[in-house]
Amino acid sequence: GIQVEQSPPDLILQEGANSTLRCNFSDSVNNLQWFHQNPWGQLINLFYIPSGTKQNGRLSATTVATERYSLLYISSSQTTDSGVYFCAVVNTGTASKLTFGTGTRLQVTL
Amino acid sequence: SAVISQKPSRDICQRGTSLTIQCQVDSQVTMMFWYRQQPGQSLTLIATANQGSEATYESGFVIDKFPISRPNLTFSTLTVSNMSPEDSSIYLCSVTGQGETYYTFGSGTRLTVV
Repeated sequence: GIQVEQSPPDLILQEGANSTLRCNFSDSVNNLQWFHQNPWGQLINLFYIPSGTKQNGRLSATTVATERYSLLYISSSQTTDSGVYFCAVVNTGTASKLTFGTGTRLQVTL
Repeated sequence: SAVISQKPSRDICQRGTSLTIQCQVDSQVTMMFWYRQQPGQSLTLIATANQGSEATYESGFVIDKFPISRPNLTFSTLTVSNMSPEDSSIYLCSVTGQGETYYTFGSGTRLTVV
């Protein structure tokens, strides 16, 4: 099956810093999502981004499907950004099933 | 996007027993899925819940251990059977609608088996 690797696995930032999270996938996809899992375990959908670039406030994401990677940018980080960030993909031809990446655990400190 | 109510939110169970988790959606949805998240790990798909027919299980998951029902387009249950401590995980249901632009997740069931 498709492999989805994220980097870095862990990241500690001071409040106000910027960061870039990366997601590499091993096969063609027709759907890519970024999620934030907060410290209470709730998964929040951040972006649907199978290709191109999107921005939502301090967050933006870019997917280059032909090169099989996606990037999530967090600017001016806040303590509420802490948690785990997952990318998840639907491998072309696999009937809507999301395969999750390995995750990046982010801690934002004061 | 759909709103999901998942119950129970957490439970502590004795080994050898079974627990049924419920997932109720506020609107009809095309696809419903069940995931497992072991401690400190990513999410792994258990199965796709099919309305009116048997669920489609992923490799490593079997119906006898994780029976799933989906009687209609808004409700599904996952049962974790004959539990052992290795089943201690967070179990999440997820839905997506037509177009599959967004996937919504329930708040999860945190299961501890002692």
